[in-house]
Amino acid sequence: SYVLTQPPSVSAAPGRTATITCEGHNIGDKSVHWYQQKAGQAPTLVIYLDTDRPSGIPERFSGSNSGNTATLTITSVEAGDEAAYYCQVWDTSDHPGWVFGGGTKVTVL
Amino acid sequence: QVQLVQSGAEVRKPGSSVKVSCKASGGTFRGYAISWVRQAPGQGLEWMGGIIPVFGTSNNAQKFQGRITLTAEVSTSTAYMELSSLRSDDTAVYYCARNQGSNWVYYFDLWGQGTLVTVSS
Repeated sequence: SYVLTQPPSVSAAPGRTATITCEGHNIGDKSVHWYQQKAGQAPTLVIYLDTDRPSGIPERFSGSNSGNTATLTITSVEAGDEAAYYCQVWDTSDHPGWVFGGGTKVTVL
Repeated sequence: QVQLVQSGAEVRKPGSSVKVSCKASGGTFRGYAISWVRQAPGQGLEWMGGIIPVFGTSNNAQKFQGRITLTAEVSTSTAYMELSSLRSDDTAVYYCARNQGSNWVYYFDLWGQGTLVTVSS
């Protein structure tokens, strides 16, 4: 089955940039979605179809996807961005289904 | 504004079953699929399966084949996830999520608040 690999943790000072990677074999050929999950809450969508932002998500959140790596970038990090972030793709292999990365905890220093 | 409202926390014994509900409050399921995702304590997200309510067709992750039943009532905009033969490692928060489209292959644009299921003897 398809595997997505994320770093367990990323930290950034307020106002700086946090970069979260999601690695998978030829992930650039798939559509990647990103979810934010704050402590004790349900996940929420922050990026869909590699680069699009749902209404209400600040422009500080952006996504890219190429080759074997998809990236979620948070510029001008704020304390409220502290959360776990998960990437997601639809796996079209022998047993089609949704696959999530292991999640990255973003800590705002 | 549509919200997905899930049923309350459950405690079950090993070997039993649990049924969790998910109701679209302020809206309808028409035009959407509903997926189920679980999260074990301190762990990541795991997709369990999805259902297209207007057709009743479902697609389950291989891991849960034979143990999971997804159903939906279009008239009440309520989806259900039943998991049987429960084990201690089924202890998790179970989420329903709306697929942004009429099939489970679309991303999730709306999530329920989660239902904690605890399996313990």
